[in-house]
Amino acid sequence: GENVEQHPSTLSVQEGDSAVIKCTYSDSASNYFPWYKQELGKGPQLIIDIRSNVGEKKDQRIAVTLNKTAKHFSLHITETQPEDSAVYFCAASPPDTGKLIFGQGTTLQVKP
Amino acid sequence: GAGVSQSPRYKVAKRGQDVALRCDPISGHVSLFWYQQALGQGPEFLTYFQNEAQLDKSGLPSDRFFAERPEGSVSTLKIQRTQQEDSAVYLCASSFGPSNQPQHFGDGTRLSIL
Repeated sequence: GENVEQHPSTLSVQEGDSAVIKCTYSDSASNYFPWYKQELGKGPQLIIDIRSNVGEKKDQRIAVTLNKTAKHFSLHITETQPEDSAVYFCAASPPDTGKLIFGQGTTLQVKP
Repeated sequence: GAGVSQSPRYKVAKRGQDVALRCDPISGHVSLFWYQQALGQGPEFLTYFQNEAQLDKSGLPSDRFFAERPEGSVSTLKIQRTQQEDSAVYLCASSFGPSNQPQHFGDGTRLSIL
């Protein structure tokens, strides 16, 4: 079955710097890749997603890139702000299953 | 409704008791998912409904776990004869379409088994 590896597990950046989180997946048939932000005591919040027919997607300060050949995808946050501090999860969805397979999470700390 | 609603937010039970966790999905969402999240880990898939049909229950850890969605809207996850290893946050998500559509999560039920 699908397996998702996420790195790094923790990331600390200065306010205004960029942050990059990387994920690799094992099932080449997976075709949907969302990213979630989770704050303490809350459920995961969808921040951006990408499908396998697209290489890059951007939404203001957040972008996601997908390399299908290498089976890896990345989240890029530019001009980080303290409110970006949270745990970020990547996920992959094998086709026609509905389920999401999550990575282990990255705790992002943005220092003011 | 505005979002996915789960109740109770917190549940404490003694080992061996049965518990029931409720999920109200976003109105009109066809698909409903249950995930289990252990402390410091990513959510892990438990089961998936499309309307009232349970299409995938491959993630349920044992036959003590049972989920239903009888009218295709509200869902209940039931755990019988709870054990300490069942302690986790149980998350519910819903999506508009059948598969590979954005899933929107509730804030979960934190279950503690004493």
